[in-house]
Amino acid sequence: SAVISQKPSRDICQRGTSLTIQCQVDSQVTMMFWYRQQPGQSLTLIATANQGSEATYESGFVIDKFPISRPNLTFSTLTVSNMSPEDSSIYLCSVGGPAHGGYTFGSGTRLTVV
Amino acid sequence: GNSVTQMEGPVTLSEEAFLTINCTYTATGYPSLFWYVQYPGEGLQLLLKATKADDKGSNKGFEATYRKETTSFHLEKGSVQVSDSAVYFCALSDLKAAGNKLTFGGGTRVLVKP
Repeated sequence: SAVISQKPSRDICQRGTSLTIQCQVDSQVTMMFWYRQQPGQSLTLIATANQGSEATYESGFVIDKFPISRPNLTFSTLTVSNMSPEDSSIYLCSVGGPAHGGYTFGSGTRLTVV
Repeated sequence: GNSVTQMEGPVTLSEEAFLTINCTYTATGYPSLFWYVQYPGEGLQLLLKATKADDKGSNKGFEATYRKETTSFHLEKGSVQVSDSAVYFCALSDLKAAGNKLTFGGGTRVLVKP
């Protein structure tokens, strides 16, 4: 299965600023997924990123707040914009699907907004 | 739409006790089912999976059987260890109805005491 390198692993940010999270995959993948895990909660899908097209956002998430780039088949970034304390969460990227035997997750970015 | 419901935690057990975490699902298609584990401070790891009815997934002493008739995928382990303390997530992927994305249950925190 694919191996994902995600960074940063954690950060503490001031409100009103932005943070860009990177995920690098060791193989080419068509779709990459970005999730948010709020404290003590389950994972919620933010968006699905295909190379060469706009990301598809889930209900409750918008591109202005969470812009995503997918410049090639092995890399993606998620930016958390104009942060507030409510954005404090773990953000995870993922690749895979049933046809690939399952999904692989990055190690996550633990974001604290102060 | 698709949904996953799993028992709420925390579940506190003594070492060598039997563990069951209930998981039921609702899906419009014919989903693949997964159990993921999140150890303290770490990302998600695939624990086991099943892709069709009556399949049994197993790994590290954990087992779960895909029961289409009861729409369930309960996780079991016969004798837990302290190192099994983690949060366990049941998830489904319904390629036909929801593309490639995963739908997660709320997670169950398990604490195993020596």
